[in-house]
Amino acid sequence: AQKVTQAQTEISVVEKEDVTLDCVYETRDTTYYLFWYKQPPSGELVFLIRRNSFDEQNEISGRYSWNFQKSTSSFNFTITASQVVDSAVYFCALRVILTGGGNKLTFGTGTQLKVEL
Amino acid sequence: DTAVSQTPKYLVTQMGNDKSIKCEQNLGHDTMYWYKQDSKKFLKIMFSYNNKELIINETVPNRFSPKSPDKAHLNLHINSLELGDSAVYFCASSQEWRGDTDTQYFGPGTRLTVL
Repeated sequence: AQKVTQAQTEISVVEKEDVTLDCVYETRDTTYYLFWYKQPPSGELVFLIRRNSFDEQNEISGRYSWNFQKSTSSFNFTITASQVVDSAVYFCALRVILTGGGNKLTFGTGTQLKVEL
Repeated sequence: DTAVSQTPKYLVTQMGNDKSIKCEQNLGHDTMYWYKQDSKKFLKIMFSYNNKELIINETVPNRFSPKSPDKAHLNLHINSLELGDSAVYFCASSQEWRGDTDTQYFGPGTRLTVL
């Protein structure tokens, strides 16, 4: 079964704290792709990162970093020195190729991050 | 220079009515999608089209009918609206559906409220 679990429903931090959002996935595929999206209060879904299963290098982009570990089936997301503008719902997703063709994103249930002053 | 656009942004209607949501992408992508986000923010795919051909229909009631007049547009028509159809509907597009250009870019969403 293809599944994405984001066990943290809501996280509250004070500005400038570091915060890690957890994502655990299940798939039988040997080649797969993982994504993170951000949904700010305005409602749109913003693409953050795409990672394929062959690339276990951690990635850093400004204050954002991602830790992909195949051994634990996890793709965690860390925000360093959080800011109020980081407040959003963050979704982890797994790309699933369907046998009849096409792909879909299987999303986790999202983690609501609240950054307070 | 909006990449994926949807109209309308908000839609309030009575039960039993028929309504449409339009989606357009100017990214030159081949594949388009409709997702539904429920009140708990859970996102689930409904349909996917590749070059105007339907490739995914995820057990959506047949009151929902997508239409792709060309590969830049994917509209969603809903007949006989029910209370349970209230949700945010997101359109998305990707260059293709497999390979390295499968990243899906989402529109701003359409919040549908059925009274």
